[in-house]
Amino acid sequence: GQNIDQPTEMTATEGAIVQINCTYQTSGFNGLFWYQQHAGEAPTFLSYNVLDGLEEKGRFSSFLSRSKGYSYLLLKELQMKDSASYLCAVRAKDSGYALNFGKGTSLLVTP
Amino acid sequence: SQTIHQWPATLVQPVGSPLSLECTVEGTSNPNLYWYRQAAGRGLQLLFYSVGIGQISSEVPQNLSASRPQDRQFILSSKKLLLSDSGFYLCAWRGTLAEAFFGQGTRLTVV
Repeated sequence: GQNIDQPTEMTATEGAIVQINCTYQTSGFNGLFWYQQHAGEAPTFLSYNVLDGLEEKGRFSSFLSRSKGYSYLLLKELQMKDSASYLCAVRAKDSGYALNFGKGTSLLVTP
Repeated sequence: SQTIHQWPATLVQPVGSPLSLECTVEGTSNPNLYWYRQAAGRGLQLLFYSVGIGQISSEVPQNLSASRPQDRQFILSSKKLLLSDSGFYLCAWRGTLAEAFFGQGTRLTVV
């Protein structure tokens, strides 16, 4: 089975940097994904890590350490529109490549 | 480009009534398709996945069922809804990185 943990809530200030952590335990790791979900909307894909290290995509970066079962999503130059839930997901080895999601971290960006 | 359509966006149904949610994908062939549910305070839960026509795998035992009558059509059904079936239902297909691309979702309220 898979166990994915991330903080429930975080608050940060506009213009700042925030790091959202995710730890996971899985039998057969095959990729880690980050999604953004605004209230009432479907999740949208942000990033993908399969090898150790940092993947950068504009203001968003994602890091992975497979040996530690750990990832983080880094958001720079926070904007008010970044207030959303951020979901960490691990690809399942045996479920038609389905993703198993954590419960999400609700990020509130304040002025 | 690939698009995924899901309807209806919102649905209110009485307990004991049937359910049929439809999802169609355009711009791709033989996609892996998934049904997820997001209940209040809980993460995205994988309900069913399908790797081809007529092939359905269930992840969670419940009173829901799924069918894939055509390559790009995935249907979620129930004969008798329960209060606990309320939630946000999301259809998804698998992208090239094994990421999930979601439809706009159906918010189901069982009353």
